[in-house]
This record gives sequence, C-alpha cells and structure tokens, in this order.
Amino acid sequence: AQSVAQPEDQVNVAEGNPLTVKCTYSVSGNPYLFWYVQYPNRGLQFLLKYITGDNLVKGSYGFEAEFNKSQTSFHLKKPSALVSDSALYFCAVRGRQAGTALIFGKGTTLSVSS
Amino acid sequence: GAVVSQHPSRVICKSGTSVKIECRSLDFQATTMFWYRQFPKQSLMLMATSNEGSKATYEQGVEKDKFLINHASLTLSTLTVTSAHPEDSSFYICSATVSHLAGGPYNIQYFGAGTRLSVL
Repeated sequence: AQSVAQPEDQVNVAEGNPLTVKCTYSVSGNPYLFWYVQYPNRGLQFLLKYITGDNLVKGSYGFEAEFNKSQTSFHLKKPSALVSDSALYFCAVRGRQAGTALIFGKGTTLSVSS
Repeated sequence: GAVVSQHPSRVICKSGTSVKIECRSLDFQATTMFWYRQFPKQSLMLMATSNEGSKATYEQGVEKDKFLINHASLTLSTLTVTSAHPEDSSFYICSATVSHLAGGPYNIQYFGAGTRLSVL
C-alpha cells in the first residue's frame, strides 16, 4: 500500500533562516511526488512536483524539493523563510497511471516568526 | 494556471437534510475529479474518484448511498451528502486533473477552495 510520512507536526523557523519540511514515502515502483500548501479554510495550492530527471526541483514562491530515491525522501526546502510562508504543507504521491488520485501525508504546519 | 471552483464555500444545515456541493473546472476539461474529506488538523482523505460519464469509484469505508457523486460533464462534478448528520460535518475538497502534455501521464491535481459543512 502507498503511504506518505511527514514526521513533524510542526516546524518553527525564524524569518530569513532556511527551512526544511520532511517527507518520506513508501510506494511500489517509481511514483510522482508533489508538495501542496494550504492556508486556513482554503483549498490546496500546488507548489512543485517531481516526475523524472533532475533530483532537485524548483517550484512556486521560492520553494524547492530534493528527491532522494535511496532514502525514499522528498524534503521541501527554502533558503530564506518568510512570515507569509506560514501555512500547512502536504506531501503527496501518486502512481504513474493516469487518473490515479493523490495520497497525502498528514501535513506539517510551518510557523515562521519575525 | 488551471482553476477549480467549488460552491458553496460554507453551508449549515439541519440534520436529515441533503446538501449538494458543486465542483467546476473553469478553464479546462477535467476527465477525472476527486473528492476528499478533511478533518480538523488532519490530512485529506480520498472519498471517491469520479470519471466523466461513468459511476464514481468509492474508497473503502465511504458509503456511496450517502455521498452521491455525479460527474455529468467534463467541467462539473457534484457531491450530495444525503440525510446529513452531525458526524458528516467536515471540510470537503474537490480536485480535478488536467494533462499538461498530450499523452502525458502525470496529471496535476488542482483543488477547489473547499466547502465547510456544518450539520446541526
């Protein structure tokens, strides 16, 4: 069965510092990997995805994520955090077959202090 | 980017009534739409996968007679919560997929803003 683990319920960083939100997955085959962000009472916004190729993918709002196949990880990173980055972040995976739904991790709340 | 519109954003209803939630893809045709349910401070749980013109596929544990899904066109899917009860109160989110490349298998899911259902 496919699963996604986000080991941290909350990550706290100071503005201007780098941030990392961790994600590991357990999926058979080579999945597609995604990060989404959710603001209060809002739907999810797509940040970035890994399909194939370069292990470091860049996405919206200065975020990037590094795919590590050997560690089955897909950690979200940003070199310099902003207060406005404070939100709930979800890692997700899906199989390669078209029409397959995303499977989400439990989410990590990012809190950036000024 | 692709826009998914979900309506209403919030609904309050009495126990025993039915509530319909609409999900529309505004600027693309969505062959597949998904319905999720999210409890406070928890992840999104997939309820069902809906393909245009065919019956929805429900996840294990989701009552198909209670959560009626209709996907009559490539731009509209509806979720009807029938005979709603307080335990159905939740945040419901729809999602639609679009292929960025012809023949490309990696559809990105775009999400609606969600519907907060409160059953009294």
